Amino acid sequence: GAVVSQHPSWVICKSGTSVKIECRSLDFQATTMFWYRQFPKQSLMLMATSNEGSKATYEQGVEKDKFLINHASLTLSTLTVTSAHPEDSSFYICSARDDRGNYEQYFGPGTRLTVT
Amino acid sequence: AQSVTQPDIHITVSEGASLELRCNYSYGATPYLFWYVQSPGQGLQLLLKYFSGDTLVQGIKGFEAEFKRSQSSFNLRKPSVHWSDAAEYFCAVGAGGYQKVTFGTGTKLQVIP
Repeated sequence: GAVVSQHPSWVICKSGTSVKIECRSLDFQATTMFWYRQFPKQSLMLMATSNEGSKATYEQGVEKDKFLINHASLTLSTLTVTSAHPEDSSFYICSARDDRGNYEQYFGPGTRLTVT
Repeated sequence: AQSVTQPDIHITVSEGASLELRCNYSYGATPYLFWYVQSPGQGLQLLLKYFSGDTLVQGIKGFEAEFKRSQSSFNLRKPSVHWSDAAEYFCAVGAGGYQKVTFGTGTKLQVIP
């Protein structure tokens, strides 16, 4: 079946530093990937839609300069949290939409970010 | 804009008992509806989806859901719950297929012996 990986699975960083999270579709191509943020005991909030070769589309209220998204290939999208602050601590989940006809969306296991 | 309501934050059922998780949606057109399960430390797994056709949808792990347009509901059911079903369940509605998926707040299922 289709698999999406995320790396790292968890990361701790100091306030003011930047962190990059990778999302890879392992056995299918994904022109479109999505980035979500999940707060404890809350739902997933869509942050942005990432399209290969073009600029990401950000949801209202999401700072594009803070959450940099790069979708450089059909199997890789990255989310960089710049100048991280403790309030950026969260669980970040990506999903990749399968280009093969059914456009099924598959989710990665998530990345736990803790900013100290 | 679409929205999803899962009125039950937490549900506890006995192993072997039946289960129904409620989901109500709001969307102007015909919705694309999904149920996902999230286990601790794991990603979201699609249980089932409804795009069109038969309003009773069968999914994996013995789950099913029924789309009721008149009630704007898409409740998830399982006739006999197993301890391994303990997890968080999310209902979601999509616009235009997978263009944008909006998730409900989730229902945490606890299964007791």
